[in-house]
Amino acid sequence: NAGVTQTPKFQVLKTGQSMTLQCAQDMNHEYMSWYRQDPGMGLRLIHYSVGAGITDQGEVPNGYNVSRSTTEDFPLRLLSAAPSQTSVYFCASSYSARGGQYFGPGTRLTVT
Amino acid sequence: AQSVAQPEDQVNVAEGNPLTVKCTYSVSGNPYLFWYVQYPNRGLQFLLKYITGDNLVKGSYGFEAEFNKSQTSFHLKKPSALVSDSALYFCAVRDGDNFNKFYFGSGTKLNVKP
Repeated sequence: NAGVTQTPKFQVLKTGQSMTLQCAQDMNHEYMSWYRQDPGMGLRLIHYSVGAGITDQGEVPNGYNVSRSTTEDFPLRLLSAAPSQTSVYFCASSYSARGGQYFGPGTRLTVT
Repeated sequence: AQSVAQPEDQVNVAEGNPLTVKCTYSVSGNPYLFWYVQYPNRGLQFLLKYITGDNLVKGSYGFEAEFNKSQTSFHLKKPSALVSDSALYFCAVRDGDNFNKFYFGSGTKLNVKP
């Protein structure tokens, strides 16, 4: 099993550009989530999904969109990048919200 | 509001000594609590969780955590620290109102010196 994979590993964007961070898992997990990690703030939940076709907002959803068309994939879209979105982004999955989550390796995003 | 606090930014311990990384929480309803570890430039790895039952929870790599309801704490412990335990540790709690949301603490850097 590859576990949770994320692409790209690094990305630099200019303010106003859009992009999609990819996330995939091969464990048939229903629950998937996106977090951002900023120094001194831990991880903050952006969006989550409890299954294909079902998504909802987390703690810091503004400026981000998600969709879940398959169990395996959960992409995160930045609509119009802003410097405040400079962060490390982690995707995670678990069989259900009761279990510990498996995290991907992260995407380091810089917005200039 | 749900929240998690890790009061220590950094914990230093000598190899072979016991270690404790502290976590306190605030959540409505029964708490679901988790510990994760993050090594440099890596994603988080799940260590252990408390849902119900025994207050002492055992997890991966010899770690355990003690749940204390009266003190709303969930401290991570290990009887004998290894240099390889040096990493960033995060405590997390599941939202008591929305079971699909999680809140993480700010992290504690553990330094184990030889």
